[in-house]
Amino acid sequence: KQEVTQIPAALSVPEGENLVLNCSFTDSAIYNLQWFRQDPGKGLTSLLLIQSSQREQTSGRLNASLDKSSGRSTLYIAASQPGDSATYLCAVYAAGNKLTFGGGTRVLVKP
Amino acid sequence: DAGVIQSPRHEVTEMGQEVTLRCKPISGHNSLFWYRQTMMRGLELLIYFNNNVPIDDSGMPEDRFSAKMPNASFSTLKIQPSEPRDSAVYFCASRPGTGVGYTFGSGTRLTVV
Repeated sequence: KQEVTQIPAALSVPEGENLVLNCSFTDSAIYNLQWFRQDPGKGLTSLLLIQSSQREQTSGRLNASLDKSSGRSTLYIAASQPGDSATYLCAVYAAGNKLTFGGGTRVLVKP
Repeated sequence: DAGVIQSPRHEVTEMGQEVTLRCKPISGHNSLFWYRQTMMRGLELLIYFNNNVPIDDSGMPEDRFSAKMPNASFSTLKIQPSEPRDSAVYFCASRPGTGVGYTFGSGTRLTVV
């Protein structure tokens, strides 16, 4: 059974610092990995999708890497801003057409 | 594209009542998923449909839960009878095909008192 873990569960940084969010998964036989953002009381917004054949994806200040063999992905957010405060969720899509989520990392960027 | 549309946004009901949550996936997306989110358990997959056919309902917690997808543009998740422990945010998501990312709706926050 696929298990996805996100560490740390919470992170607080001053504005301007780079954010590093970690995601690990137990079964490396994945099709792709998707990072989401969730604001309090809101739905999930897709940030980046990395196919299993890719090593990384970039969008603006966001960069996500994928190391399938070691079962790890990292989301980097450069030059953090207070508006980046949210919960970030990692999810892997594997056999059985299932998307399995990690528990999320709650990020607070202090002005 | 209006995205995945869920209704209602909020639902408060009394224990024992029937609750019906609704979802309209993105046009052209052939897979639809129902998830439940709680503080204790995070996001859990309840059931998913492919081309309107239920494929895996192993995540449905009990027989009180049922889901239907009568056509490609509409799905319902029903809880009958509802219990306080069903209180959660229920998300619907859709996807056009394998290898493509998921799009989530804004969710329905259900409170059973």
